[in-house]
Amino acid sequence: GENVEQHPSTLSVQEGDSAVIKCTYSDSASNYFPWYKQELGKGPQLIIDIRSNVGEKKDQRIAVTLNKTAKHFSLHITETQPEDSAVYFCAASISGAQKLVFGQGTRLTINP
Amino acid sequence: NAGVTQTPKFRVLKTGQSMTLLCAQDMNHEYMYWYRQDPGMGLRLIHYSVGEGTTAKGEVPDGYNVSRLKKQNFLLGLESAAPSQTSVYFCASSSHETQYFGPGTRLLVL
Repeated sequence: GENVEQHPSTLSVQEGDSAVIKCTYSDSASNYFPWYKQELGKGPQLIIDIRSNVGEKKDQRIAVTLNKTAKHFSLHITETQPEDSAVYFCAASISGAQKLVFGQGTRLTINP
Repeated sequence: NAGVTQTPKFRVLKTGQSMTLLCAQDMNHEYMYWYRQDPGMGLRLIHYSVGEGTTAKGEVPDGYNVSRLKKQNFLLGLESAAPSQTSVYFCASSSHETQYFGPGTRLLVL
């Protein structure tokens, strides 16, 4: 079945710097890759997603890139702010099954 | 629109006790899911449903049962709780790929 690996598990950056989180997946048939942000004590919230027919997608300070050949995708956050501090999860869809497989999560800390 | 709601928010059980977690969604979504979240392990799928009256096993189904008698509700049952089931449980729903999550239920089994 699908396996998603996420790195790093923790990331600390200075406010204003960029943060990058990377994920790899195993099932070449996967075609949907969302990123979720989870704040303390809350459920995960979708922040951006990308489909396999697109190489890059951007939404203000957040961007996601996908390399289908290498089977990896990345989340890029620019001009980081204290409110970006949270746990971020990547996921990949199992083609046709309406299910997601999640990475292990990255705890991002923005230092003022 | 309340989205996805979960009841209760927090519960403490003794080993061997049973309980039911309730998930409700008001978005008319066909698909519903139950996950557990443990430190360093991300979100793991317990059971899911592709429509009213249907259920299917996920990655970690042992020790849990589910029911989807109404489209808007998805119940997760623990018949005989074990300390290994101490976790945070999240429900989610979707109409296509995007899943929307509830606020979670924190369960402690002593």
